[in-house]
Amino acid sequence: DAMVIQNPRYQVTQFGKPVTLSCSQTLNHNVMYWYQQKSSQAPKLLFHYYDKDFNNEADTPDNFQSRRPNTSFCFLDIRSPGLGDAAMYLCATSRDKGLTGSPPGANVLTFGAGSRLTVL
Amino acid sequence: GESVGLHLPTLSVQEGDNSIINCAYSNSASDYFIWYKQESGKGPQFIIDIRSNMDKRQGQRVTVLLNKTVKHLSLQIAATQPGDSAVYFCADLARLSGGYNKLIFGAGTRLAVHP
Repeated sequence: DAMVIQNPRYQVTQFGKPVTLSCSQTLNHNVMYWYQQKSSQAPKLLFHYYDKDFNNEADTPDNFQSRRPNTSFCFLDIRSPGLGDAAMYLCATSRDKGLTGSPPGANVLTFGAGSRLTVL
Repeated sequence: GESVGLHLPTLSVQEGDNSIINCAYSNSASDYFIWYKQESGKGPQFIIDIRSNMDKRQGQRVTVLLNKTVKHLSLQIAATQPGDSAVYFCADLARLSGGYNKLIFGAGTRLAVHP
């Protein structure tokens, strides 16, 4: 089945030790997103790629970087994880950047299962 | 600023009862809303959406109601089942420049279904 796959599902790192989370999609969607979700909170958008066009949210710390080497893959790099970066990281895709279209619901975000990051 | 919020953080219901999850939004220009369900340890899953030119939309066991006058929407789940236990997020669309849109998520309501 077409889907969004995140690896690893669980990642434990030490304070300051770089981490890379990966996301792959078989939906052939143009847009890929990275969200951070802390415990009992809503997902917060970090950045997204429309094809190779990178869009950073204004309040995303410089500590977070992303790479999209091809349509199918997108990576989240956390250069120096702090205790406050412990969270679930969600990858999502959408067919295009508008997020609306026909039929209704056809272009909403499709999420992966997430990568839970623990920082010791 | 724009925000999407929920009235109740936790909702407990008996199996078989109907559930109603509420959501308020602040941007009167919002024209598209989505409900997501997130089970423990999983990513959010699309449930149903509604455009602002509608006030009601029905899916399988779910109904979304939109009241633009008071900027409120609700998700109704009929005959709630244990498998419905999850956190439910409403989200609305922020229209940005360049044709980009962004989903703004509310804080979430946890639905607990008891046998």
